[in-house]
Amino acid sequence: DTGVSQDPRHKITKRGQNVTFRCDPISEHNRLYWYRQTLGQGPEFLTYFQNEAQLEKSRLLSDRFSAERPKGSFSTLEIQRTEQGDSAMYLCATRKGAVNEKLFFGSGTQLSVL
Amino acid sequence: QQPVQSPQAVILREGEDAVINCSSSKALYSVHWYRQKHGEAPVFLMILLKGGEQKGHEKISASFNEKKQQSSLYLTASQLSYSGTYFCGTEIADTDKLIFGTGTRLQVFP
Repeated sequence: DTGVSQDPRHKITKRGQNVTFRCDPISEHNRLYWYRQTLGQGPEFLTYFQNEAQLEKSRLLSDRFSAERPKGSFSTLEIQRTEQGDSAMYLCATRKGAVNEKLFFGSGTQLSVL
Repeated sequence: QQPVQSPQAVILREGEDAVINCSSSKALYSVHWYRQKHGEAPVFLMILLKGGEQKGHEKISASFNEKKQQSSLYLTASQLSYSGTYFCGTEIADTDKLIFGTGTRLQVFP
């Protein structure tokens, strides 16, 4: 499989717990993006990486959210002290370069915070 | 900063046409279009770069008016498989990120 891979597909957690999601990009894709999507809404930009450098983080993102991309390969998104409002689909997307390159999306991680 | 799409929802019979619009308040470098089916990830349809080009993909085409900061997606002779939610994604010059629009839900019935 040469697509973008996300793990886990589903995560159910209790409020206050920490969760971590993983995204494995398509090989040679140096741009990696995290989006959050709630029902009926468009994907909301969270953060992105060029190789291992995190270039931008949405100002809507609280300090409870952190992302890493060590060595410019896979990426992890961690949410600390989860809240019910964090329940959403978390999508990872990657592309080879910038601007005129299309995004390839993973299947997402559906987070439910009880 | 989020682009606005119109209409919010469209209901069609097979064979009918539809137009989905995407409008931004920022100067755009490019516009992407994606379709998402329920429970699935968005799938790429096409990219339009500044310059007012129009592109086609089977019976789906799009235009990009750079001056008006608008793009339109044209679906011709719709098929059942066209059902889903359509999102435009806009890139502002000198940025490296795609901001997605509010979405348009399209339903095609036999």
